Amino acid sequence: AQRVTQPEKLLSVFKGAPVELKCNYSYSGSPELFWYVQYSRQRLQLLLRHISRESIKGFTADLNKGETSFHLKKPFAQEEDSAMYYCGVLQGAQKLVFGQGTRLTINP
Amino acid sequence: SAVISQKPSRDICQRGTSLTIQCQVDSQVTMMFWYRQQPGQSLTLIATANQGSEATYESGFVIDKFPISRPNLTFSTLTVSNMSPEDSSIYLCSVGGYGNYGYTFGSGTRLTVV
Repeated sequence: AQRVTQPEKLLSVFKGAPVELKCNYSYSGSPELFWYVQYSRQRLQLLLRHISRESIKGFTADLNKGETSFHLKKPFAQEEDSAMYYCGVLQGAQKLVFGQGTRLTINP
Repeated sequence: SAVISQKPSRDICQRGTSLTIQCQVDSQVTMMFWYRQQPGQSLTLIATANQGSEATYESGFVIDKFPISRPNLTFSTLTVSNMSPEDSSIYLCSVGGYGNYGYTFGSGTRLTVV
């Protein structure tokens, strides 16, 4: 079964510094990967989907099949980026399975 | 993207009782998903609910404990039966996989069992 691993449970960076949240996946075919974000007291919401190749709120994520990674990056962190971030993979074309999540804290 | 209304938003229940959580979607969807988020943990898929058929449960989850109804294409319920303190979690419903909208989640039901 497809799985995603987020090795960092907590990540803390200073405002203006670059951010990288790591996500590695295990899948033998062409995975469909997502990043979701949950801000304090808000519902879980889609941030990025690798198929769309968009940049949302300054975040980007590139699928690296050689390294089986889908790391989330932002060149300059902002305080409002503090949130819980979940990497997810579509399993069986229907079920979304999540990694353990990374709590990102941006220090002023 | 779809808009999901989930209720109740929170509840405190006595052990041994059952709670039914409702999920209403503003558009017709084929599949609805129920997740559990235990304290400090990630989201774990409980089951997939299709209209007109039995729900499909993930490993570790059984119908007797988490019965699901899916009477139509816009509504589903999840019941947490015979609750114990270990069932204290946030329960979320989700729909999605359409176009570029990804999966949409309800606001969750925070359940505390005492």
